[in-house]
Amino acid sequence: GESVGLHLPTLSVQEGDNSIINCAYSNSASDYFIWYKQESGKGPQFIIDIRSNMDKRQGQRVTVLLNKTVKHLSLQIAATQPGDSAVYFCAENSYSGAGSYQLTFGKGTKLSVIP
Amino acid sequence: EPEVTQTPSHQVTQMGQEVILRCVPISNHLYFYWYRQILGQKVEFLVSFYNNEISEKSEIFDDQFSVERPDGSNFTLKIRSTKLEDSAMYFCASTVTSGGTGELFFGEGSRLTVL
Repeated sequence: GESVGLHLPTLSVQEGDNSIINCAYSNSASDYFIWYKQESGKGPQFIIDIRSNMDKRQGQRVTVLLNKTVKHLSLQIAATQPGDSAVYFCAENSYSGAGSYQLTFGKGTKLSVIP
Repeated sequence: EPEVTQTPSHQVTQMGQEVILRCVPISNHLYFYWYRQILGQKVEFLVSFYNNEISEKSEIFDDQFSVERPDGSNFTLKIRSTKLEDSAMYFCASTVTSGGTGELFFGEGSRLTVL
């Protein structure tokens, strides 16, 4: 079946370095992708999103890149801080036309920032 | 900042018992969702709800599950007869827009432990 997955389950980076978290998706019909951050014991927190008609979108310290050719999504975090330590999920919107979100989440990548 | 609130934060129940998890979505939001996350696994879609009826549901959302919006503010998930495998974090989410774009706001989650 269609799925969203992550290449790396864990990532350790030095404070101040840039982080890159990758995600592969297989549903070529997906047209909307979101990155979520989940801290321990908390719910997913929206970071940034991108529609399929774009290949790059920037936020504050974060950039999402979308490569539809290879069905690949990445999240770049600039100048990683200890507060960025969390599990990061990519998600795709399996919009069925019924008018609601049905997000399919990847497994998650744990980002650990080394002070 | 408006937020989705969930109660209880943790519930322990015996197998076979009924459980009701409660959520107060963001007040001007129109679409409501339940997701669950089994420990160490990815977040999974359960059900979406709009205009007082279910929009979509996953195969996880079987006859043991039901949702209700009993008044103008609460959105509940009921598990009729809990099983061990229902142990998970249950996240409520809401959004003002229909599927496609827009931020999906998640609550902090309710941890259900079935003994």
